[in-house]
Amino acid sequence: SFELTQPPSVSMSPGQTARITCSGDALPKQYAYWYQQKPGQAPVLVIYKDSERPSGIPERISGSTSGTTVTLTISGVQAEDEADYYCQSSDNSGTYNFGGGTKLTVL
Amino acid sequence: DVQLVESGGGLVQPGGSLRLSCAASGFTFSGFWMSWVRQAPGKGLEWVANIKQDGSDKYYVDSVKGRFTISRDNVQSSLYLQMNSLRVEDTAVYYCARLHGGGWAHWGQGTLVTVSS
Repeated sequence: SFELTQPPSVSMSPGQTARITCSGDALPKQYAYWYQQKPGQAPVLVIYKDSERPSGIPERISGSTSGTTVTLTISGVQAEDEADYYCQSSDNSGTYNFGGGTKLTVL
Repeated sequence: DVQLVESGGGLVQPGGSLRLSCAASGFTFSGFWMSWVRQAPGKGLEWVANIKQDGSDKYYVDSVKGRFTISRDNVQSSLYLQMNSLRVEDTAVYYCARLHGGGWAHWGQGTLVTVSS
């Protein structure tokens, strides 16, 4: 299997830019996906294939990749962005994996 | 609209069995890989299993291999997870999700499985 590593927490004031990283050796070869999860709710896909945004996701949420690290960027953080964020990828053996999750706190 | 509705969760003793179901609607069920993903209380997401459109290929996380079986009924548009030899560490909310590309854009609301004596 493969591992994806995220920081446990990130704190930002409203209006700032939050960057959440996800690192893993598989990432240069496989796409990464990002999910937002609020308490008591199912996850919501916010970025797919490293940097594509599903319909309905605001433009201030973006994804990027560089080597073994992918980054979720939330510009102009708002109170509604407070949530847990998970990166996810797969390998060629049919195995899927999530990062440990990052709790974004809006101060 | 895509809808995924899980059922079958509940309280079960260690060593027991449970069968989860997921009723799908709003899309051509037979055209998609389907998955189960779980989340233990207060913990992160964990992929559990995938099944190919026709059921011919199945993949599992190592921790459930030999104990869990994913299956589907394309006529009924339903996904299943048979869970045997359940352990305390299998306690989690189990989500049914539709796989597209390498990720999941559609999720059910989840069903809670509690393994406890």
